Amino acid sequence: AQSVTQLGSHVSVSEGALVLLRCNYSSSVPPYLFWYVQYPNQGLQLLLKYTTGATLVKGINGFEAEFKKSETSFHLTKPSAHMSDAAEYFCAVSGTGTASKLTFGTGTRLQVTL
Amino acid sequence: DAGVTQSPTHLIKTRGQQVTLRCSPKSGHDTVSWYQQALGQGPQFIFQYYEEEERQRGNFPDRFSGHQFPNYSSELNVNALLLGDSALYLCASSLSGGLVYEQYFGPGTRLTVT
Repeated sequence: AQSVTQLGSHVSVSEGALVLLRCNYSSSVPPYLFWYVQYPNQGLQLLLKYTTGATLVKGINGFEAEFKKSETSFHLTKPSAHMSDAAEYFCAVSGTGTASKLTFGTGTRLQVTL
Repeated sequence: DAGVTQSPTHLIKTRGQQVTLRCSPKSGHDTVSWYQQALGQGPQFIFQYYEEEERQRGNFPDRFSGHQFPNYSSELNVNALLLGDSALYLCASSLSGGLVYEQYFGPGTRLTVT
């Protein structure tokens, strides 16, 4: 079985400050890991994904995440927060083929203040 | 390139009624997955359809059923609605084969059961 745990249901940062959203995973097989963003009353948009290869992955809107197998982590970072980054962020894990369903964390709401 | 579309956008039903939600996948995609997102929660996997067959199923009762058509579009049916079925229902499409795990989400259908 696969699962993810997102630490912190709410994170507040000042505009221009570092954004760090935490995600730890559990998987019995090599995981595929994802970060999605959800704006109010909208669907989910893929920010970035890790499948194989380079452990530091870059995504859209200046976000990046690092896969650390030894720590079973996949934390999301952005060097400088912008007001438009305020949204709900979900970490997810999946297998592939017939196990390609996404298993999501409970989400972290990012607030960006002036 | 049209993304994933869902209809209707919003729906209000009464307990005990039945509902059908519709999804058209992103152009070129052949696999459709459905997720339920309760308020304040992460999405939960309902089931996945490929080649008009249910390929995976999450922990949802038989009241939840689906169908995939030859053009890859899909329907989600829920019978005997309960108040707890109130949620945002998200459809995601992907391409079978190497990138089956890369799922693109539609905007969702907001179902309210009264």
